[in-house]
Amino acid sequence: GQNIDQPTEMTATEGAIVQINCTYQTSGFNGLFWYQQHAGEAPTFLSYNVLDGLEEKGRFSSFLSRSKGYSYLLLKELQMKDSASYLCAVRKTGGFKTIFGAGTRLFVKA
Amino acid sequence: DTEVTQTPKHLVMGMTNKKSLKCEQHMGHRAMYWYKQKAKKPPELMFVYSYEKLSINESVPSRFSPECPNSSLLNLHLHALQPEDSALYLCASSQVMREEETQYFGPGTRLLVL
Repeated sequence: GQNIDQPTEMTATEGAIVQINCTYQTSGFNGLFWYQQHAGEAPTFLSYNVLDGLEEKGRFSSFLSRSKGYSYLLLKELQMKDSASYLCAVRKTGGFKTIFGAGTRLFVKA
Repeated sequence: DTEVTQTPKHLVMGMTNKKSLKCEQHMGHRAMYWYKQKAKKPPELMFVYSYEKLSINESVPSRFSPECPNSSLLNLHLHALQPEDSALYLCASSQVMREEETQYFGPGTRLLVL
């Protein structure tokens, strides 16, 4: 089977740092994606990890541990526009299927 | 050009209507996808086309009929839909020859079935 877990909601303060966790169980793993989705809009790509470790891209960083089935997305210097849902998605081997988690709704307050 | 376009943006149709959703990309991607997303839920994969051939059909009802006329276009033909089919329909594409197969999403078509 396959399962992706992430918190439903998080709240953080403007200028702060927030970490959104994602755990997954899947048969066949070929990478993990993080997407940002504002209400009523399409998801936009943030990061991709296939090897263990930390990938940094500006204010956003993503970490992967394949042995633990665990990833996190780290957002620094939070801005109000970062209020959105953040989707963790796992790419399975043997094709193009990507399984999305339910998403974490992040609320950034002043 | 990293844009995936979708038309129309909004669509209202009755249960006896026939309509089509269109998706277009000019990034040279050879994989294209249809997803369905209900409110506050993650996207659910419906179909995948690879090199203009249907590769994956996630047991989607036959009232949804995909078509890939060429490498840049992807259509979703709708017929005899139900009110529960109302959702945001997202098209995406990816460069299948690369290891990092990031999917680029279009803005979606918001469908309401009455």
